[in-house]
Amino acid sequence: DQQVKQNSPSLSVQEGRISILNCDYTNSMFDYFLWYKKYPAEGPTFLISISSIKDKNEDGRFTVFLNKSAKHLSLHIVPSQPGDSAVYFCAASAEVESGGGADGLTFGKGTHLIIQP
Amino acid sequence: DTAVSQTPKYLVTQMGNDKSIKCEQNLGHDTMYWYKQDSKKFLKIMFSYNNKELIINETVPNRFSPKSPDKAHLNLHINSLELGDSAVYFCASSLRDIYGYTFGSGTRLTVV
Repeated sequence: DQQVKQNSPSLSVQEGRISILNCDYTNSMFDYFLWYKKYPAEGPTFLISISSIKDKNEDGRFTVFLNKSAKHLSLHIVPSQPGDSAVYFCAASAEVESGGGADGLTFGKGTHLIIQP
Repeated sequence: DTAVSQTPKYLVTQMGNDKSIKCEQNLGHDTMYWYKQDSKKFLKIMFSYNNKELIINETVPNRFSPKSPDKAHLNLHINSLELGDSAVYFCASSLRDIYGYTFGSGTRLTVV
């Protein structure tokens, strides 16, 4: 069962507009959430994170919102730029290990963001 | 279940030993990867295989060697383990490095 879900495999947004990437999770033990950005032929690079004690974290054009009651987080990019075209991964972790899994990160399947000129 | 499965989930071993971590995907993907998670934020790509050919080999020690018997498997073999090799290692697969990117659940390697 997928614990971190990104239901949109791809998203097309016009340059200058806002890009909103969504992520849902099912494991209530998750308390730390990250977004990674991946260009072709490269590994994912860390973009922004949020702890469960917050509901918003902002870094330049990137803002992550966390709704714990809905088990939902979103990444907003505004304004969107051509260099933002990439695959974006949502990931989650639990400080306290549960379920016996390796206590690293659990990843979503990614959303391919395409910024159109 | 369609997935990327890696085994074992936990591996505790002594310095100097040789160990392998196995990864298998049944998604029909053409590219498989190995990543090392050094901290919660940093995920470093180690290797990438496309149709059994190595296409990325970042500057990892040559004690690490990927072995791909077929495009559904990419195993990671580590010789002469060192303390600094302790980390969580993730396997992943995708289609053409863009679509259906799927990570395994990770293997926590502890070298003592």
